[in-house]
Amino acid sequence: QVQLVQSGAEVKKPGASVKVSCKVSGYTLTELSMHWVRQAPGKGLEWMGGFDPEDGETIYAQKFQGRVTMTEDTSTDTAYMELSSLRSEDTAVYYCATVEVAGMGYYFDYWGQGTLVTVSS
Amino acid sequence: DIQMTQSPSSLSASVGDRVTITCRASQGISNSLAWYQQKPGKAPKLLLYAASRLESGVPSRFSGSGSGTDYTLTISSLQPEDFATYYCQQYYSTPGTFGQGTKLEIK
Repeated sequence: QVQLVQSGAEVKKPGASVKVSCKVSGYTLTELSMHWVRQAPGKGLEWMGGFDPEDGETIYAQKFQGRVTMTEDTSTDTAYMELSSLRSEDTAVYYCATVEVAGMGYYFDYWGQGTLVTVSS
Repeated sequence: DIQMTQSPSSLSASVGDRVTITCRASQGISNSLAWYQQKPGKAPKLLLYAASRLESGVPSRFSGSGSGTDYTLTISSLQPEDFATYYCQQYYSTPGTFGQGTKLEIK
């Protein structure tokens, strides 16, 4: 059974960066494909990006290109998502989630508990 | 990007009711559709994938159907623990996109 445990809540000022971690247990990170999804307060789910095992590369949603970086430390089985140039609209719960590849896309089978990032001056 | 539209946005029902939630894609998605359940303050949970395949451990009262652009999630007999928000997600193409959610409330 895959378990994903994320880092704690963050409060950041506009213009700052935030780095959220996601620790994997039950499997190694190399056996999984990790993605990130966010959810603004009271809103729906928004895919940010993740590792595409078909291409062996990390892909990002166009909306976040240039502002987001997703990395992995396989020695500790921990994935990271760093978002820079934060603005108030980035206030959201950020989830890591593993994906199951199906055809040309993927769905999300295991989720972390979420990390609330609040951007406020 | 493929747009996903769920209906209704909210729904009131009673324990024991049969309920159906609809998800429409802006183009055909060849059954590349997943359904998730989310309870307040919790992460989403995968219920079904490939439009109709039940994820392991999910009760059989949940079922999915559809084809082309139109899909449905049906709960055959609502239980108290089923009151939550439900999301569909297409994975026919990247980026995978979600519906806006359907909030299922107790009548």
